[in-house]
Amino acid sequence: EIVMTQSPATLSVSPGERATLSCRASQSVDSNLAWFQQKPGQAPRLLMSVASTRATGIPARFSGSGSGTEFTLTISGLQSEDFAHYFCLQYNNWPWTFGQGTKVEIK
Amino acid sequence: EVQLVESGGGLVQPGGSLRLSCAGSGFTFSSYWMHWIRQAPGKGLVWVARMSTDGSTITYADSVKGRFSISRDNAKNTLYLQMNSLRVEDTALYYCTRNPITDEAHWGQGTLVTVSS
Repeated sequence: EIVMTQSPATLSVSPGERATLSCRASQSVDSNLAWFQQKPGQAPRLLMSVASTRATGIPARFSGSGSGTEFTLTISGLQSEDFAHYFCLQYNNWPWTFGQGTKVEIK
Repeated sequence: EVQLVESGGGLVQPGGSLRLSCAGSGFTFSSYWMHWIRQAPGKGLVWVARMSTDGSTITYADSVKGRFSISRDNAKNTLYLQMNSLRVEDTALYYCTRNPITDEAHWGQGTLVTVSS
């Protein structure tokens, strides 16, 4: 099973600033990597798939990069609605595996 | 409007069984692969199982293999998860999802399973 490791566990950012979240795979997952956002009491929402393709309706301030084992989600100009948990998911191999998440909180 | 509504969760003792249901509406249920994903309280997401449109392809996470069984009834637009030999570590909110990594992704609100004596 591929282990996905996200860092940092918590990221404190001021509104308007940039947040950079990392996700590392224990072996290559090519570009088969998705990012999800989850707010308290809500189901996760797909932000990105194929490492860098934004899902429909996701604002351009969200961008993804990386391939192989190293991936990054960048949120430029954080807005109040962006403070949430973020999870990466590899879907290159079964079973699919998620990272443990990064909480983006208001500084 | 696309809807997925899970039900069947509850409190069960270790070693017990539960059957979760996920009723789909607002879309052609039989055209979509369906998944179960769970989340322990305050923890991260864990993919559990998936089933193809016609039920011919099924995959399970190692942690549930041999204990859980996914199935679907396309005539009733419903996905199921039969959970046997439940363990304390199976305690979680169980989501059913449609194509979770595509633009057609949709999630239910989840049903809570608590395994405790």
